[in-house]
Amino acid sequence: DTGVSQDPRHKITKRGQNVTFRCDPISEHNRLYWYRQTLGQGPEFLTYFQNEAQLEKSRLLSDRFSAERPKGSFSTLEIQRTEQGDSAMYLCASSLYWGQHTEAFFGQGTRLTVV
Amino acid sequence: AQRVTQPEKLLSVFKGAPVELKCNYSYSGSPELFWYVQYSRQRLQLLLRHISRESIKGFTADLNKGETSFHLKKPFAQEEDSAMYYCASRGGSEKLVFGKGTKLTVNP
Repeated sequence: DTGVSQDPRHKITKRGQNVTFRCDPISEHNRLYWYRQTLGQGPEFLTYFQNEAQLEKSRLLSDRFSAERPKGSFSTLEIQRTEQGDSAMYLCASSLYWGQHTEAFFGQGTRLTVV
Repeated sequence: AQRVTQPEKLLSVFKGAPVELKCNYSYSGSPELFWYVQYSRQRLQLLLRHISRESIKGFTADLNKGETSFHLKKPFAQEEDSAMYYCASRGGSEKLVFGKGTKLTVNP
C-alpha cells in the first residue's frame, strides 16, 4: 500500500500517560495535515506542515499536543498527560502543493482510547 | 469563521431512487467546496470538488452561491453508494472544514 500510513491503528492508554502517533505521507507530498475526529462529528483540523515547517495550528491544539515533521517526511503527533476527552480518531493526510492545491489523501487513522 | 452544515445525519433510500445529500456553507469569501466519502472500513477519500465540475460514480454537485449550498445528487442510487458522506470547504486558510456527515443507506 503506497498511500498514507499511520501507526499504530489503535492505542489504549491510561489517563495521564503520554502517547505518540506516527504518520508516513505519500513520498512526494510536501504537505501533511493532522485532523481529529470524535464520534458523530466530521474531522477537525489540528495542524499542517509544508515540508518541515509547521505553518498553522488550530486552537484545538492545546499545550499538551505537539507535532513535528523533522525531515519533511514522516510526522509525529504527541499528546502529553492524556485526558479522557482526547479519545478520538486521529487522521493524517498529505498532498502535493505547488502553488495550487491537489487532492489530499487520508490515512486510515489512529484510534485513541483514554481510560 | 467557516462553517459547514449537513442537516441530515441519516438518509435512507431504495435502490434506483434519486438521492440528494444537503450541504450548506458559511464563508464570506469564495470557498472551495468538496465532497468526501468513507465506505465501511475504508479511509476517507475525495469524491468530487466543485472546481472540477465533474461527475464521479454518477454523483454531481452544483455550487449555488445565492443559497450557499453544495448539495450532492445522484439520479439512481446503488447499494454500493451506502457510505458516510462529508461535505467540506476551504477558504482563507489551508485547512478543510468538514460538516458532521450524512450516513447514506441504499436499501435493495
